[in-house]
Amino acid sequence: DTEVTQTPKHLVMGMTNKKSLKCEQHMGHRAMYWYKQKAKKPPELMFVYSYEKLSINESVPSRFSPECPNSSLLNLHLHALQPEDSALYLCASSPTVPTGGVISPLHFGNGTRLTVT
Amino acid sequence: GEDVEQSLFLSVREGDSSVINCTYTDSSSTYLYWYKQEPGAGLQLLTYIFSNMDMTQDQRLTVLLNKKDKHLSLRIADTQTGDSAIYFCAEDYGGATNKLIFGTGTLLAVQP
Repeated sequence: DTEVTQTPKHLVMGMTNKKSLKCEQHMGHRAMYWYKQKAKKPPELMFVYSYEKLSINESVPSRFSPECPNSSLLNLHLHALQPEDSALYLCASSPTVPTGGVISPLHFGNGTRLTVT
Repeated sequence: GEDVEQSLFLSVREGDSSVINCTYTDSSSTYLYWYKQEPGAGLQLLTYIFSNMDMTQDQRLTVLLNKKDKHLSLRIADTQTGDSAIYFCAEDYGGATNKLIFGTGTLLAVQP
């Protein structure tokens, strides 16, 4: 069982809908991440939050809006998505964003499989 | 973007050893990782190696690192059917940022 919980497991939405993906961890981790994984492809980083502040945005379109309400929760708000945004969205957390060469490995959730129609 | 290359597919018989290879790109990576992804699931961290080491071993898993050639390998001894999954190597691009760049993934199929 993963210690990073993502809801919902599956989501189907139309291009005019607004929906949110949720991620929760209770390991006391202070860094949280969103990755996008298309079928048969590796995960690609979207956003990194460190101590509830956005530290990395990998030039993600504004139709994806992340939010970190507190250190345990990470949301991804979706609006006006396109069919090509259909993918597995993975949340991850790590104790910190590492500095000084100290490892801080990522723990992944099982993802939300998103289909945009 | 940078490409981290892996062979697409590996088939082995149960009980044999599996060797999954990875060629990475960023010589400043601090750590290199191996993740396992089973169908419909997220990624599970298997093991990692610090960039100034040549080898690590943890039970059935052995990681070899050739920093000169930017080549990483994962050996799974006594491969079991439960090891069937996609295996991703990953490098922390730019060093110590957790901005992981994942390899293309290798599908390991274990035949009984």
